[in-house]
Amino acid sequence: KQEVTQIPAALSVPEGENLVLNCSFTDSAIYNLQWFRQDPGKGLTSLLLIQSSQREQTSGRLNASLDKSSGRSTLYIAASQPGDSATYLCAVRGTGANSKLTFGKGITLSVRP
Amino acid sequence: KAGVTQTPRYLIKTRGQQVTLSCSPISGHRSVSWYQQTPGQGLQFLFEYFSETQRNKGNFPGRFSGRQFSNSRSEMNVSTLELGDSALYLCASSSTTGGAYGYTFGSGTRLTVV
Repeated sequence: KQEVTQIPAALSVPEGENLVLNCSFTDSAIYNLQWFRQDPGKGLTSLLLIQSSQREQTSGRLNASLDKSSGRSTLYIAASQPGDSATYLCAVRGTGANSKLTFGKGITLSVRP
Repeated sequence: KAGVTQTPRYLIKTRGQQVTLSCSPISGHRSVSWYQQTPGQGLQFLFEYFSETQRNKGNFPGRFSGRQFSNSRSEMNVSTLELGDSALYLCASSSTTGGAYGYTFGSGTRLTVV
């Protein structure tokens, strides 16, 4: 059974800091991994999608990497801003019939002005 | 283009009642998945529909059911509501079954059972 872990559960940083959010998963047989952002009481906004054959994806100040063999992914946020404050979730999609997304519990990020 | 639309945004129901939630996927998307989000359990998969057929199902009791229509809109029904069913229910759409190219989520329906 796939398990996804995100540690720590919460993080507070000063504005301008570069930061890395970690995600680990137990079963390396994944199809892809997706990072999402969730603002309080809202739905999920997709940030980056990495297919299992890829090592990283970039969008603006965000860079996500994937090391499938070690069961790890990182989301790098450059020059953090108060508007980046949200909960960040990673989710892995299984292979074959197990195509559902398995989510981590998320990391709640607070960027202090 | 329009995103994933979920209605209603908020619902308050009494224990024992039933409820129906609706999800309209992105135009052209034929896959709709449903997830339950609670503070304790996080996001858990309910089921996925593609072309009106249920393709995958999570570990939820039979009180949770769904269906998909020919226009890809999907409904989720919960019968005999329990207090523990209070949650944010999220719908996700994808152009392919199983989200091979990722999922787009709606804003969710907040269900409160009293």
